[in-house]
Amino acid sequence: GQQLNQSPQSMFIQEGEDVSMNCTSSSIFNTWLWYKQDPGEGPVLLIALYKAGELTSNGRLTAQFGITRKDSFLNISASIPSDVGIYFCAGLTDSWGKFQFGAGTQVVVTP
Amino acid sequence: EAGVAQSPRYKIIEKRQSVAFWCNPISGHATLYWYQQILGQGPKLLIQFQNNGVVDDSQLPKDRFSAERLKGVDSTLKIQPAKLEDSAVYLCASSPSGAYNEQFFGPGTRLTVL
Repeated sequence: GQQLNQSPQSMFIQEGEDVSMNCTSSSIFNTWLWYKQDPGEGPVLLIALYKAGELTSNGRLTAQFGITRKDSFLNISASIPSDVGIYFCAGLTDSWGKFQFGAGTQVVVTP
Repeated sequence: EAGVAQSPRYKIIEKRQSVAFWCNPISGHATLYWYQQILGQGPKLLIQFQNNGVVDDSQLPKDRFSAERLKGVDSTLKIQPAKLEDSAVYLCASSPSGAYNEQFFGPGTRLTVL
């Protein structure tokens, strides 16, 4: 079946640093989503991308839809302690809203 | 606006027992999803409802898992009998019809099977 490869698996960074993570797939997606999940909570949508090459920002977050439609990137600038959590990418596989999720990138921010 | 509600939040059972989870989606959301999230992995879709009809249940282990959304509003997911590998967080999400990117997740039910 389709596989979403998300990397890195975890990141330990200092407050103020920038963070970059990505998702790649062997299949083409029509939509990419990026979610953040805090412990004991469900994922919360951060950014949605709909077009190849699209670059979208949400505060300190910036995400891009790869030109090949097989990858996506998420950047967090000037990290703060509340950025701690697990970040998931998700790709839409069909028109009925069936998303496939990556395994997540765990971000730990140290002061 | 109230979010997606799930109960219970935690459940511990022994293998071969039965368990049921309940989800109440955001009011007016026609699409409801159940996901299984094993520790260290991303959510995996188990079943998707559009109103009270099943859109996709291709990854639902139908020999032990069942789900229903009889009135097109709240939904229950049942496991009978449970296995050790069913230990996971079960997430419910809902979205407006056609707006699949607007999936709102509930807090999940953490199931531990001993």
